Amino acid sequence: RKEVEQDPGPFNVPEGATVAFNCTYSNSASQSFFWYRQDCRKEPKLLMSVYSSGNEDGRFTAQLNRASQYISLLIRDSKLSDSATYLCVVNTGNQFYFGTGTSLTVIP
Amino acid sequence: EAQVTQNPRYLITVTGKKLTVTCSQNMNHEYMSWYRQDPGLGLRQIYYSMNVEVTDKGDVPEGYKVSRKEKRNFPLILESPSPNQTSLYFCASSLVRSGFYFINTEAFFGQGTRLTVV
Repeated sequence: RKEVEQDPGPFNVPEGATVAFNCTYSNSASQSFFWYRQDCRKEPKLLMSVYSSGNEDGRFTAQLNRASQYISLLIRDSKLSDSATYLCVVNTGNQFYFGTGTSLTVIP
Repeated sequence: EAQVTQNPRYLITVTGKKLTVTCSQNMNHEYMSWYRQDPGLGLRQIYYSMNVEVTDKGDVPEGYKVSRKEKRNFPLILESPSPNQTSLYFCASSLVRSGFYFINTEAFFGQGTRLTVV
């Protein structure tokens, strides 16, 4: 079983739409959780860390459900510039595990 | 500027010719790691290092070596590259917060090295 699983998409949404990405992880001992953004084979960049209490950064909201081992990312009011691949990342023990990424294209 | 620097950015080499990809970070991070990214497989960890002289295998270590003689540098060595090591490679670093558990803060990535082995 993979450590981190994501729906690969692709998600094609119109500008202004709300889109949600989901991710599950297999190890209940995982300690820290992140969403990264990756543009066209460039380096991944941190979008936001994810906390049990949930956290929001502008149009982006991340949630962590430890009981269900589930992480989500909500993007409101999508912009063209949000088009990218979104990676769910989990830190377990001494290692980082990455989902395969969810592709988002925002259409004018 | 805080950054992780990898070199070279692009490399084409022949099977069996030893090569080294360098990685350096200026953030005084304890933790450094190497990943390869292949279509449909995502990023997979090759090796990681918790601190100087402390390295350990990730999920796909075969065919690679690393060393951590200084805190800022973590080179990736391919002693005898093969075509199945053609990939996009990323180096990353992060702080480690110690408490009851060691917890990594977010990872900062280098710009990547696109390696082709023919």
